[in-house]
This record gives sequence, C-alpha cells and structure tokens, in this order.
Amino acid sequence: AQTVTQSQPEMSVQEAETVTLSCTYDTSESDYYLFWYKQPPSRQMILVIRQEAYKQQNATENRFSVNFQKAAKSFSLKISDSQLGDAAMYFCAFQGGSEKLVFGKGTKLTVNP
Amino acid sequence: DTGVSQNPRHKITKRGQNVTFRCDPISEHNRLYWYRQTLGQGPEFLTYFQNEAQLEKSRLLSDRFSAERPKGSFSTLEIQRTEQGDSAMYLCASSSGLAGVYEQYFGPGTRLTVT
Repeated sequence: AQTVTQSQPEMSVQEAETVTLSCTYDTSESDYYLFWYKQPPSRQMILVIRQEAYKQQNATENRFSVNFQKAAKSFSLKISDSQLGDAAMYFCAFQGGSEKLVFGKGTKLTVNP
Repeated sequence: DTGVSQNPRHKITKRGQNVTFRCDPISEHNRLYWYRQTLGQGPEFLTYFQNEAQLEKSRLLSDRFSAERPKGSFSTLEIQRTEQGDSAMYLCASSSGLAGVYEQYFGPGTRLTVT
C-alpha cells in the first residue's frame, strides 16, 4: 500500500520570503501522479499543483513549484514570495493505478507579516 | 461552471440515528469520490464512482455506510446507526478523467457531529 509522509507538522515564513514543504512517499508503482492541495481554515481543499511521475521537468504554477526526485521518492513544494493568503494546511497526495488519492497528514503553514 | 457542492454543510445527530449527505459534482464530471477527514489528519478515501458504477470501496467503509450515484449525477452517502467515531468532515470530489488525468476538485464538505 502507498504511504505519504509529511514530516513537518508546522512551518512558518515571513511575508515575501520563500518556504519549502517536504513530502516523501512510498510506492512500488512506476506510473503515478503527485499533488499538493491547500486547505485554508474552514474552507475547501484547493488543488495547487500536479506532477506526473513520467515527467522529469518539475511542475511550476506561478509562485508555486515542486522539486520532484523520483528515485528518492521525494516531492517538495516551494512557495516563493509568500503572501498572507498562503496561510493554510498543505497536503501532499499520491495517485497511482487506483484513482483514489492517498494523503499525508498535512503541514500547517503560518505566514507572518 | 459551478464547483462541487455538498449538503448539508453541518449535521448534528444523536448516536444511533441515520444520516444522509448529498454531493453534486461539477457538471459533466463522470467520476465522484468520497473521503473522510478527522481533525488533524489528511482525508482518507472511502469510495468512488464512475458514472453510476461504484468501482472501489475502502475497508474503512463499514456495513453501516452506503453510497449511491443512481443516475450518474449527484451522489448520496448514508451512515446508519451513527457512532461517535463517525464524527468527521465528509468530503466529496469529482474529476473528468479527460486524457487519463484524474485531478480531483473538492467540495466544501459536510461536518458531522455525533452526540
């Protein structure tokens, strides 16, 4: 069974600075997708970024980028120029042959003004 | 294009009662997923549908839980004889499955409290 581990329960960053959230996963599958989701307080889960395992190029969406290391089974999220609105729980998720998402326990990100 | 909607947003019930939640996916999304999220945890998969067919069920989904998607549009999740351990946020998501990519878009959830 796949597992997703987020080793940082909480992180903080100063506004306009850069922060990196860590995620590792375990799978025997070779073809899969990885996602980062953002869940603001009392609001719904929002898809931030997606990475296909067969692509070597790291995905980027505006201020959000990933560092995907397939051999190390690592998938970190970098947020540049952090904004107050980035404060949320961030979940890393794995999707393999089954369409279900397997989530980590999340990292709570605080952005300090 | 409206997003995924869920009703009710909050439900308080007494132990032993039955509850039913509804999820309306993004229009034309043929895949619909149910997850459960407890405090301080990531969502856990419960079940999913492709159109009206229920394709996978988690072992978390005990016999007290049943989900349907009768016409391949909205879905209902029913919990019979609720227990305090059922208290959680129940999340619904949908995807189109276009080009073999199954990005899932989530609704706001239904928060269940069992007293």
